[in-house]
Amino acid sequence: AAGVIQSPRHLIKEKRETATLKCYPIPRHDTVYWYQQGPGQDPQFLISFYEKMQSDKGSIPDRFSAQQFSDYHSELNMSSLELGDSALYFCASSLPGGSSYNEQFFGPGTRLTVL
Amino acid sequence: AQTVTQSQPEMSVQEAETVTLSCTYDTSESDYYLFWYKQPPSRQMILVIRQEAYKQQNATENRFSVNFQKAAKSFSLKISDSQLGDAAMYFCAYRSAEGAQKLVFGQGTRLTINP
Repeated sequence: AAGVIQSPRHLIKEKRETATLKCYPIPRHDTVYWYQQGPGQDPQFLISFYEKMQSDKGSIPDRFSAQQFSDYHSELNMSSLELGDSALYFCASSLPGGSSYNEQFFGPGTRLTVL
Repeated sequence: AQTVTQSQPEMSVQEAETVTLSCTYDTSESDYYLFWYKQPPSRQMILVIRQEAYKQQNATENRFSVNFQKAAKSFSLKISDSQLGDAAMYFCAYRSAEGAQKLVFGQGTRLTINP
């Protein structure tokens, strides 16, 4: 079965550089979530999209932006990178929830290291 | 805002024994979902088990079962016949049934299986 694809899997950047993380949801999934997991921490919700519109926003820095495209893939753009941005970034996708349960399927994550 | 608390940073158990991981949560909502995720060294997030708040019956998935106490806002995970492959970080998570579908995670419990 197809899974969530994230690219790149590993990324090394210098401080103040920019980074773009990509997420390709499971076919027919139109909802995408982004989570950030710092070293030794639990995943923290950043932002989500449903049908190409932002549906919810969490603790996402102003230096980060994200969007969902017409093919439902999503990109997380990170600018002016800081050492504290080093983390594992997960993307998850699901069918639209509404009042029914739809599981979030997680991708393998992108490990970002800022030097 | 909803919060999830895991008060056991680390747990260990002998292979083939039973272990229980604790989780409490705080919410004013009446309908929601609770989950246990497993994160092995690969860092992949794997759904272990889920519980719908409106169901009184505790969820069970093979060797994994939960003890859901809605009034006490408690959601513990019992792993029976522990296996070496169960060694991982375990996260308890909450999700609203409607509206925002983001997952709110606890701090995690690192489970070690002793041979």
